[in-house]
Amino acid sequence: GIQVEQSPPDLILQEGANSTLRCNFSDSVNNLQWFHQNPWGQLINLFYIPSGTKQNGRLSATTVATERYSLLYISSSQTTDSGVYFCAVDKGDDKIIFGKGTRLHILP
Amino acid sequence: GAVVSQHPSWVICKSGTSVKIECRSLDFQATTMFWYRQFPKQSLMLMATSNEGSKATYEQGVEKDKFLINHASLTLSTLTVTSAHPEDSSFYICSARGGQWIVAFFGQGTRLTVV
Repeated sequence: GIQVEQSPPDLILQEGANSTLRCNFSDSVNNLQWFHQNPWGQLINLFYIPSGTKQNGRLSATTVATERYSLLYISSSQTTDSGVYFCAVDKGDDKIIFGKGTRLHILP
Repeated sequence: GAVVSQHPSWVICKSGTSVKIECRSLDFQATTMFWYRQFPKQSLMLMATSNEGSKATYEQGVEKDKFLINHASLTLSTLTVTSAHPEDSSFYICSARGGQWIVAFFGQGTRLTVV
């Protein structure tokens, strides 16, 4: 099946810093989503981005489908950005596969 | 976005008993629902996919008789953990997709503790 790799696995930053999270996938995909899982376990949709670039406030994402990777950018980090960021893909076969996530710690 | 509600948020049960977790799509018809399991500090592992009115498709290694999934309507899917054991303790998350939505929306998750 399709493999989804995220890097880095852990990231510790000072408040105000910028960060880039990466998601590589092993096969072409129909859909790609970025999620933030908060400390209570709730998964929050950040972006649906099978290709191209999108921005939402301090967050933006870019997916280069032909090269099978996606990037999530977080600018001017805040402590509330802490948590785990997941990339999830599906090939249109009704299976949404998650990467192992990037655990982000923003220090005050 | 759409709303997916999962209930209960947490449950503690005795070993050997069964536990039912509900997943509802509140404002759209969920033609496909997914059930995931997440151990501490790990990723979400897909357990099964269900389409309304059909039997669920289980991932390799997931016991069908232990994790019963029912998707009887376009707004409700249930996961029943039968004869639960301490090793079944985990965070279970459902997801739904359908209607106008290409993306999947996730429930709040259920933290199951078997004692």
